[in-house]
Amino acid sequence: ETGVTQSPTHLIKTRGQQVTLRCSSQSGHNTVSWYQQALGQGPQFIFQYYREEENGRGNFPPRFSGLQFPNYSSELNVNALELDDSALYLCASSLRTSGGARADTQYFGPGTRLTVL
Amino acid sequence: KQEVTQIPAALSVPEGENLVLNCSFTDSAIYNLQWFRQDPGKGLTSLLLIQSSQREQTSGRLNASLDKSSGRSTLYIAASQPGDSATYLCAVDTGFQKLVFGTGTRLLVSP
Repeated sequence: ETGVTQSPTHLIKTRGQQVTLRCSSQSGHNTVSWYQQALGQGPQFIFQYYREEENGRGNFPPRFSGLQFPNYSSELNVNALELDDSALYLCASSLRTSGGARADTQYFGPGTRLTVL
Repeated sequence: KQEVTQIPAALSVPEGENLVLNCSFTDSAIYNLQWFRQDPGKGLTSLLLIQSSQREQTSGRLNASLDKSSGRSTLYIAASQPGDSATYLCAVDTGFQKLVFGTGTRLLVSP
């Protein structure tokens, strides 16, 4: 059983640029959630993908977008980067059965540290 | 809107002490509550998950309790060790694994 992996580990961008972060789910998981963690804060929910469709979104603007692929890996895209986008971006995968609000425990990846200059 | 608060924000104790971390949440309509550990600059490690129908969970030296009606949870760490030094986060599941996190308690256990 492989864990959740994320790439890249670190990334430096300049204001106005675009960035793509990647996440590979744990084997057998069909749900991926993305979180943003600013320094000294708890993670904040960005959005979730279940079976390749967005399934809920937090209070983030449309320039934050995502994809989930048939193998359940996922991407987080951020356009027009701002200085406040500097944060640790975490993805988490879990297994959710059809129609159920409950799911197994989420497993988090190590995160991608994004710095916007 | 669900809000999660953790007290204290930071805690420093000598090795061997028993300690309690507190978490409170404003909306009792939760599916479960989880406690996580985060080492500096790293991802999250799940420590304990308490379903909404449960009162407590135990794993080794860790014990977590949940009082849903009062919106409170505690994480009890027995016989603390320097390796326990980390930030501890609690999070409530508002449905479909969408977690709302507190800001964490930063724990330092000195030898």
